[in-house]
Amino acid sequence: EVQLVESGGGLVKPGGSLRLSCAASGFTFSSYSMNWVRQAPGKGLEWVSSISSSSSYIYYADSVKGRFTISRDNAKNSLYLQMNSLRAEDTAVYYCARETYCSGGSCYLGWFDPWGQGTLVTVSS
Amino acid sequence: EIVLTQSPATLSLSPGERATLSCRASQSVSSYLAWYQQKPGQAPRLLIYDASNRATGIPARFSGSGSGTDFTLTISSLEPEDFAVYYCQQRSNWPLYTFGQGTKLEIK
Repeated sequence: EVQLVESGGGLVKPGGSLRLSCAASGFTFSSYSMNWVRQAPGKGLEWVSSISSSSSYIYYADSVKGRFTISRDNAKNSLYLQMNSLRAEDTAVYYCARETYCSGGSCYLGWFDPWGQGTLVTVSS
Repeated sequence: EIVLTQSPATLSLSPGERATLSCRASQSVSSYLAWYQQKPGQAPRLLIYDASNRATGIPARFSGSGSGTDFTLTISSLEPEDFAVYYCQQRSNWPLYTFGQGTKLEIK
């Protein structure tokens, strides 16, 4: 079964740091780009960051650029998001998602599937 | 940045009725548009990709159409489990993905 499981969320003070992890299983993790997408309480979805399969290409939303760092360890089938200088507006459920939908032997780039169950990050004093 | 605007914000319908959800892009995204369904406390689930292709396991009552800037998600006959929030997403401006703000489909 293709699965993503996030961990590492919690309560942190403004200006603090947190590191999220996402453990992948059921597919060849090292072959796919991975992403983080977040959702503030009661709000919509916001793409946060993307990393290519070999970590050669990394992209960030303007809202987190310079504060967040995405990384991966293909040997451990794991994706990470290091979040520094956290702000109240970073409060959200953070989802990891594969950047490719695959079905019946064909794969389609740019669509998020699967998603993890999410991990809640709360930034508050 | 490509902005996706969904309408209506909330749609109130009864089971068995037809639902029509709209997504409009601020510039052409060709057919590079997807639809996701999200239920409370759950992660989003991919329904439609490339504007009109159903993902595996998605019932035939869900269909997508459109190209360029105007897209539609249609649910032909609503089942109780279809009441949820629906988001559109574009990949035309890779890797700067954007989502619409969502349409909440609620039971009337």
